[in-house]
Amino acid sequence: KNQVEQSPQSLIILEGKNCTLQCNYTVSPFSNLRWYKQDTGRGPVSLTIMTFSENTKSNGRYTATLDADTKQSSLHITASQLSDSASYICVVIVSGGSYIPTFGRGTSLIVHP
Amino acid sequence: DSGVTQTPKHLITATGQRVTLRCSPRSGDLSVYWYQQSLDQGLQFLIQYYNGEERAKGNILERFSAQQFPDLHSELNLSSLELGDSALYFCASSALGNGDTGELFFGEGSRLTVL
Repeated sequence: KNQVEQSPQSLIILEGKNCTLQCNYTVSPFSNLRWYKQDTGRGPVSLTIMTFSENTKSNGRYTATLDADTKQSSLHITASQLSDSASYICVVIVSGGSYIPTFGRGTSLIVHP
Repeated sequence: DSGVTQTPKHLITATGQRVTLRCSPRSGDLSVYWYQQSLDQGLQFLIQYYNGEERAKGNILERFSAQQFPDLHSELNLSSLELGDSALYFCASSALGNGDTGELFFGEGSRLTVL
C-alpha cells in the first residue's frame, strides 16, 4: 500500500531558528515528491519538487533533500520567520500514467517571536 | 492566485440536506481532484476526474458524488448531510500528460458547516 509518513506531527520553534521536517514514503513506482505549504484555512501551495535523480533543491530559505534509496525526504527551513507558521505536507506522485498523489498528514509548524 | 476557483467559499446547512460545491480548474488543466479536510486533519482524497472521466476514487462516501463537465468544471454533490461532514473541501487541478510533474494547484476551498 502506498503510504507517506511525516514527522514530527507538530513543531514549535523560535523565530530565527532552523528546523527540519521529515518524510518517509513507500510509494512505488516513484515519479516525484513535492513539499506543499498550507496556511491555516487556505489551499496548499507547492514549495519544491524532487525527481528521482535530484538529491537537493533550494527555494529561498527552504531546502529539500531526497534519498531515493531509503525513500526519505526532508525539508529544512533556515532562519525561520513568523510567516513560516503553517502545515507542511509531503506529497509523492506515483508514475505509470495515473499520476495519483499520495499525501502525508503534514507537520504543523508554529514559529514564535 | 492559483487559478482554481471554488464556490461557495462558505456554506451553512442542516443535517439531512444536500449541497453542491463547484470548481473551475486552471485554464488548460484537464484533471480535477477533490479533497476533504476536517478540523486539524490531513487532506483526504475523495475523487479524481480527467477530461470528464472518473480516474481514481479515494475514501468518498456513497452519499457523495461528483462529475466533470465538458467545459472541465467539476461539481461535488454531498447529500444526506451529517454533522461529521463539516469540513473544508478543496478542489485541485493539474495538467496531466507525458512528462507532467503532477503539481496540484489548489483552490481556496469551500467551508461547509452542517448544523
